[in-house]
Amino acid sequence: NAGVTQTPKFRVLKTGQSMTLLCAQDMNHEYMYWYRQDPGMGLRLIHYSVGEGTTAKGEVPDGYNVSRLKKQNFLLGLESAAPSQTSVYFCASSYSGTSGSADTQYFGPGTRLTVL
Amino acid sequence: RKEVEQDPGPFNVPEGATVAFNCTYSNSASQSFFWYRQDCRKEPKLLMSVYSSGNEDGRFTAQLNRASQYISLLIRDSKLSDSATYLCVVGHNFNKFYFGSGTKLNVKP
Repeated sequence: NAGVTQTPKFRVLKTGQSMTLLCAQDMNHEYMYWYRQDPGMGLRLIHYSVGEGTTAKGEVPDGYNVSRLKKQNFLLGLESAAPSQTSVYFCASSYSGTSGSADTQYFGPGTRLTVL
Repeated sequence: RKEVEQDPGPFNVPEGATVAFNCTYSNSASQSFFWYRQDCRKEPKLLMSVYSSGNEDGRFTAQLNRASQYISLLIRDSKLSDSATYLCVVGHNFNKFYFGSGTKLNVKP
């Protein structure tokens, strides 16, 4: 049981390049999330998904796109990278909770992205 | 105004000390509350959920005050291994979580 995995772990891009970050979970969780974490700031939600084939915008969605074609995978895309997207990206997943309240989130190890 | 606010610290305490962290949240409709621990350059990991009645897990006690929109974490008998950043997390509905920027704890020998 690997939990939540992310690839790649590190990446350096030039401004304008594109890339896709992959998140995979083997816990059969319905909900998946992408966050970014910048120095001195908490994690901020980029996009999330409440099930296969569904996605929604979070707090800071601009410049990112996502897809959830399979329940276990959640992809985060940067179409044209900018230096402001230099950050650590974390993926998380959780069960759907009872009474509309989500359960514990389990995080992947993170992807450190630098955009030059 | 930030959704979740925490004192960034750092809190520098000796081993064996008792230390308390506080967190305030702005949305009175928030439904779920957590404390996560994050070690340097690692992913956040759940420390404990926070319930209205308060809850305890070994040396850790969490409390929630909905009227004041305030969450606390108390660590007793601090260990060197408790050194980390502690994140306060507040959930809305079932799909949105807001993180505080974290409180850094340094436990010294």
